[in-house]
Amino acid sequence: GAGVSQSPSNKVTEKGKDVELRCDPISGHTALYWYRQSLGQGLEFLIYFQGNSAPDKSGLPSDRFSAERTGGSVSTLTIQRTQQEDSAVYLCASSLGRGALYEQYFGPGTRLTVT
Amino acid sequence: AQKITQTQPGMFVQEKEAVTLDCTYDTSDQSYGLFWYKQPSSGEMIFLIYQGSYDEQNATEGRYSLNFQKARKSANLVISASQLGDSAMYFCATLYNNNDMRFGAGTRLTVKP
Repeated sequence: GAGVSQSPSNKVTEKGKDVELRCDPISGHTALYWYRQSLGQGLEFLIYFQGNSAPDKSGLPSDRFSAERTGGSVSTLTIQRTQQEDSAVYLCASSLGRGALYEQYFGPGTRLTVT
Repeated sequence: AQKITQTQPGMFVQEKEAVTLDCTYDTSDQSYGLFWYKQPSSGEMIFLIYQGSYDEQNATEGRYSLNFQKARKSANLVISASQLGDSAMYFCATLYNNNDMRFGAGTRLTVKP
């Protein structure tokens, strides 16, 4: 079956522009996660959705970052007024449910470069 | 704060030998999951192995095994019979019941022929 997909795979944008990153989770997965991985670094948790709601937004680095999920499926991560420090790979993952027992399946990521 | 630590930024191992990648975590939660992921140079995150905090036996998946020592809060990954294709970044992660998942900084493993 299809895995988690993300688009675009690469995005180059000018500082100050807004960008939208898209994630299509595995069908039937109710939990969806966004992470950021800066060059050579580990993964930084950004936000988690259970269905369409996001009970935990604590990881979003600033109010320039927002995310939504519609229909319990596709999610969009929006970064407004991008800064150079936003350059990173943004990874999306989905899992069957919430809790400590569910493996997260990762998408291939979107590499964002802010010039 | 829940913290996860991988103390080895880089490791080398000879092909066909075993290697242990360290991971320690810090939590007061009773229920949690421990994961290891492999990230090759292509960037994808590949799930390797999972251990639940209540599992009494160490998890094994093929050449991967997890040395889980709950009292010490450690979850080391053991790779047996290393292969050249094992060269990658390896991330340890913990997932708690509030769905807060934390990753370590990673260990870069290089398998030498």
